[in-house]
Amino acid sequence: RKEVEQDPGPFNVPEGATVAFNCTYSNSASQSFFWYRQDCRKEPKLLMSVYSSGNEDGRFTAQLNRASQYISLLIRDSKLSDSATYLCVGNTGGFKTIFGAGTRLFVKA
Amino acid sequence: DARVTQTPRHKVTEMGQEVTMRCQPILGHNTVFWYRQTMMQGLELLAYFRNRAPLDDSGMPKDRFSAEMPDATLATLKIQPSEPRDSAVYFCASGDRANTEAFFGQGTRLTVV
Repeated sequence: RKEVEQDPGPFNVPEGATVAFNCTYSNSASQSFFWYRQDCRKEPKLLMSVYSSGNEDGRFTAQLNRASQYISLLIRDSKLSDSATYLCVGNTGGFKTIFGAGTRLFVKA
Repeated sequence: DARVTQTPRHKVTEMGQEVTMRCQPILGHNTVFWYRQTMMQGLELLAYFRNRAPLDDSGMPKDRFSAEMPDATLATLKIQPSEPRDSAVYFCASGDRANTEAFFGQGTRLTVV
């Protein structure tokens, strides 16, 4: 079993829709979590950090559920420019940073 | 604008040849990661360094892969001999503190024929 698992999708949604991704992690010692965004043929870039108290940045909300060992990303009012692959990341012991395989999102006009 | 620099951006080589990929981390970052990305496996952590010392290379096939940091401004990933199954995009990333963001280079797209 992979340390960080995500539904690969793809998720196909119309503009303006709300879409949610979940990600589970197996290592209960994982200390910090992130969502990264990766555009086609580009490098991953940090989208947002995930805190136990939840984290909101504009149309994006990330949440962490330690008891169930999952994190989530909610995108409201989807834009065409949100089309990308979203990578869930867990960080154990401070430096070991493990990525999920990514969830592909396509937003259609 | 500080960034992680990787060379070469693209590499096509024949099976059995040695491949060396280079990475210049962001100045002042003391953690360096090497990842491999394929469609089938996603982003796999191959190895990472802290203050130039290898902390974990358990994700790396030991028989043909090696990773080093000759100095704080250079990390290398070497494959010898290369095989077609090594074809992938290899990313280097760097960070400056625990539990914080990793900054990625643009990757080296390796094709072994």
